[in-house]
Amino acid sequence: DTEVTQTPKHLVMGMTNKKSLKCEQHMGHRAMYWYKQKAKKPPELMFVYSYEKLSINESVPSRFSPECPNSSLLNLHLHALQPEDSALYLCASSQGFASGEQETQYFGPGTRLLVL
Amino acid sequence: AQTVTQSQPEMSVQEAETVTLSCTYDTSESNYYLFWYKQPPSRQMILVIRQEAYKQQNATENRFSVNFQKAAKSFSLKISDSQLGDTAMYFCAFTNGIYGGSQGNLIFGKGTKLSVKP
Repeated sequence: DTEVTQTPKHLVMGMTNKKSLKCEQHMGHRAMYWYKQKAKKPPELMFVYSYEKLSINESVPSRFSPECPNSSLLNLHLHALQPEDSALYLCASSQGFASGEQETQYFGPGTRLLVL
Repeated sequence: AQTVTQSQPEMSVQEAETVTLSCTYDTSESNYYLFWYKQPPSRQMILVIRQEAYKQQNATENRFSVNFQKAAKSFSLKISDSQLGDTAMYFCAFTNGIYGGSQGNLIFGKGTKLSVKP
């Protein structure tokens, strides 16, 4: 089973709203990722959690706040977003151990976010 | 800096025919991993095939196979017996892995939009 789930599938929010995106995997993976993907572009890495600790923050604005409550869950808290933040937000996970198939990232279906 | 280049923005193929998508990459690392992902209009990113750089044998997955040329830093994807369901954006991607220099970051090419025509 290589399933990563994401909720909600679609989200519309105003610039003053606070919302959260959720990602879940039950594959025993220890690395989880948030990506942002604009239309017709490749995904861009936002955050990496390895063993529930933030490993990479690719200089993402503070209006995006990640949280990893446990090894199966990853949240992305959104506050005071801008219209240019509208995009597809993808979550991915990998086993997190060195070498081999463990490096493969499996993606969820994404949350399509529209900021008005 | 590690980069991935896909030189074909769009391609089309007739159903049942074979098509090859090109990908080149640049890295100074000796150990790394290469992937092809498929993203249909539904937007789910689906793993097609992976290749470990230390393996000389080219990876195959049913109708999908790669031509991995490590010295040339080339990683092309061949799709045999193309089907309508293969219509999608295809991304070539590279990583050193979670403990490598990129700490798990997947570096993507810009993608090739493949259309399979009936």
